[in-house]
Amino acid sequence: RKEVEQDPGPFNVPEGATVAFNCTYSNSASQSFFWYRQDCRKEPKLLMSVYSSGNEDGRFTAQLNRASQYISLLIRDSKLSDSATYLCVGPDMRFGAGTRLTVKP
Amino acid sequence: EAGVTQSPTHLIKTRGQQVTLRCSPISGHTSVYWYQQALGLGLQFLLWYDEGEERNRGNFPPRFSGRQFPNYSSELNVNALELEDSALYLCASNRGTGPGELFFGEGSRLTVL
Repeated sequence: RKEVEQDPGPFNVPEGATVAFNCTYSNSASQSFFWYRQDCRKEPKLLMSVYSSGNEDGRFTAQLNRASQYISLLIRDSKLSDSATYLCVGPDMRFGAGTRLTVKP
Repeated sequence: EAGVTQSPTHLIKTRGQQVTLRCSPISGHTSVYWYQQALGLGLQFLLWYDEGEERNRGNFPPRFSGRQFPNYSSELNVNALELEDSALYLCASNRGTGPGELFFGEGSRLTVL
């Protein structure tokens, strides 16, 4: 079983919408996770780290749910520029398959 | 500060050939990770090197190998190329002090004909 598994995509949402992605993990001892963003034909870049206390940065909120073993990424007030693939990764640095988000006008 | 650099950026090979991809991490980073990303697919973990040692390996056949040099740069070698090896090969580095932000290079795009 993979360390991290992601929601299947794609997600197509209108501008201004709130969208959430989940990523489940198998190792209950894992304590650190990361969300990356990958634009088309570009390298992934770190979006947020996720520890037990969660993380918030502007319109983006990442949380860790230990009881159910998943992490989440919430994007509020979606912008066209948020269109990308969002990848989660656990402490073993193995990435999930990615969730593609398209924000439409 | 220079980022992670990879070479070559693009290359075309034929089945059965061998290829070597190179990666220079950010100065001060001791860990190098290699990933394979086939078109439209996710990142598949290949190899992790830290302080010159192979620390972990993904589910790839032995014809995928690599090494890390004393200056922390790294090479990925793929022997007996197959068509399905066509992909973007991404290298990433970090300080090697545990899980932390990975800084990626722009990748080497390999096409196998």
